[in-house]
Amino acid sequence: EAGVAQSPRYKIIEKRQSVAFWCNPISGHATLYWYQQILGQGPKLLIQFQNNGVVDDSQLPKDRFSAERLKGVDSTLKIQPAKLEDSAVYLCASSLDTSGGNPYEQYFGPGTRLTVT
Amino acid sequence: GIQVEQSPPDLILQEGANSTLRCNFSDSVNNLQWFHQNPWGQLINLFYIPSGTKQNGRLSATTVATERYSLLYISSSQTTDSGVYFCAVNFGNEKLTFGTGTRLTIIP
Repeated sequence: EAGVAQSPRYKIIEKRQSVAFWCNPISGHATLYWYQQILGQGPKLLIQFQNNGVVDDSQLPKDRFSAERLKGVDSTLKIQPAKLEDSAVYLCASSLDTSGGNPYEQYFGPGTRLTVT
Repeated sequence: GIQVEQSPPDLILQEGANSTLRCNFSDSVNNLQWFHQNPWGQLINLFYIPSGTKQNGRLSATTVATERYSLLYISSSQTTDSGVYFCAVNFGNEKLTFGTGTRLTIIP
């Protein structure tokens, strides 16, 4: 079974530029999450989708971050304009597998390491 | 919100040693996961263990939900076990709240 796919794996941009990340969840997983992991800390949720609807975006800095999940499958996360403090690893995860596994177990992609200079 | 604390924060062991990592959480949960974050940043699922005991090779985990803690046991450590171990909890399909992590270093 294919895991969660993310691209790009690495990105270096200058502050005030824009950047976009892509995520493809595990097939059949209805819930998709974007987490931000700052060096030395655990991941923190930015936004959660259930199919193509937003469930929780309370910790998303909406003045600069946006995300969408068209057709309830792939998702993109965008930052515009980027700030130095946005340097982090952006992790995508998926869950809610109704095919017989642990329904709420979350699986993570390899992440995108963003450096803002 | 739920608070998740892990101990110890850092652990340095000789190859072949055994270790116990602890996760305490502040409120009732019905999901708990243990992850290993390797040096390349990939979060690898170790256990989905809201309660009870599970074993997978050299690793095992126990969660006592009524007392709000979980333990991860690593036996006969190998250098590939190095990395950061995270405990994370939630209710249903809500967001995971991660602990502070335990950084494990295995010396050959």
